[in-house]
Amino acid sequence: DTAVSQTPKYLVTQMGNDKSIKCEQNLGHDTMYWYKQDSKKFLKIMFSYNNKELIINETVPNRFSPKSPDKAHLNLHINSLELGDSAVYFCASSQLERNGVGELFFGEGSRLTVL
Amino acid sequence: QKEVEQDPGPLSVPEGAIVSLNCTYSNSAFQYFMWYRQYSRKGPELLMYTYSSGNKEDGRFTAQVDKSSKYISLFIRDSQPSDSATYLCAIGKNTGFQKLVFGTGTRLLVSP
Repeated sequence: DTAVSQTPKYLVTQMGNDKSIKCEQNLGHDTMYWYKQDSKKFLKIMFSYNNKELIINETVPNRFSPKSPDKAHLNLHINSLELGDSAVYFCASSQLERNGVGELFFGEGSRLTVL
Repeated sequence: QKEVEQDPGPLSVPEGAIVSLNCTYSNSAFQYFMWYRQYSRKGPELLMYTYSSGNKEDGRFTAQVDKSSKYISLFIRDSQPSDSATYLCAIGKNTGFQKLVFGTGTRLLVSP
């Protein structure tokens, strides 16, 4: 049973379209994340939610809007897609220890290609 | 200057070699250090995690941290073809929530 699952795995779309990626974790973790990995493998945090509350919001265009309906789900909606949005988007979850540190469990990624 | 610097490789070694993977970081406020392994078309998975300067060993893997030099290393002994992957260092601060900064990853190729 997959711990962190995200759909779809592959997305090919035209510039200007709107798309969503869904993520679910069955680990019972309180914290979920969206990371973006570009073509050079650079992995950068975009958002983090703790118990449905947004706690990290990096410098990301307003076209990206995360939504967490409950602590097991974190979705990412992207409006007006641009060529530079092409990347692999990873969802992750963690259960933070008292010191605010925890192992990140990643999904397999959603590969977005904008044409 | 990037917060974390990591040589992208690729690093090619024969099976059985000792591998050394390294990262440098610029901000002494970073307090904990992780190494993640990422196979092709998969998500990263945690290998090692340490807080303090010094060595931490887990099987064939040793993580080393030198906070005075802002330098972290991952050593792999008796490397295997199954170790072929991209290795990402990640560093973080104790802020009450986790915001890791990742290196760009080093691609390792272990040939039989």
